[in-house]
Amino acid sequence: NAGVTQTPKFQVLKTGQSMTLQCAQDMNHNSMYWYRQDPGMGLRLIYYSASEGTTDKGEVPNGYNVSRLNKREFSLRLESAAPSQTSVYFCASGGQNTGELFFGEGSRLTVL
Amino acid sequence: ILNVEQSPQSLHVQEGDSTNFTCSFPSSNFYALHWYRWETAKSPEALFVMTLNGDEKKKGRISATLNTKEGYSYLYIKGSQPEDSATYLCAYDLTNAGKSTFGDGTTLTVKP
Repeated sequence: NAGVTQTPKFQVLKTGQSMTLQCAQDMNHNSMYWYRQDPGMGLRLIYYSASEGTTDKGEVPNGYNVSRLNKREFSLRLESAAPSQTSVYFCASGGQNTGELFFGEGSRLTVL
Repeated sequence: ILNVEQSPQSLHVQEGDSTNFTCSFPSSNFYALHWYRWETAKSPEALFVMTLNGDEKKKGRISATLNTKEGYSYLYIKGSQPEDSATYLCAYDLTNAGKSTFGDGTTLTVKP
């Protein structure tokens, strides 16, 4: 059982470049989330999707866009990367009712 | 922005010591409180979810308590082992939407 898988695991970008982080879950969860984690800080919510076809902003949405392609997949796009977006990004699913989140392994992004 | 605070930020103990850390959250409205364990180079994994004032949960040597009236939760580890070394995150849910707000975590290091 793969759980939550996200790609790529590592990426280096130059300022202004664009990229998309992919996430897929096989647990039939309605809700999916994108968090970022910076040194010395907890996980901060970028965007979430309560169900297929819906997305909402979290705490730190600026500079990002998301797409809930279907129930399984939730992608995060950086249209014009900035050094402030250097971070580790985590996708998660689950959350509703019990609230427990299942996380992917993380994607380390460096913007030069 | 909801304020979830964890203390201490880091903790170094000897093998066999018992330890505890604190998570503080807004007491005015509450749906659920989660504890996650996050080992280096892995993704966070759920330990407990608690929803009722006075809840106590236990998993082996790790236990947690919840006080929603005063807005805090304690995580206890009895007889710490080196494999308990990890960052422990708490996450607060205001509603059942699963949009958890995370604390910055407490990093525990257990020395053999």
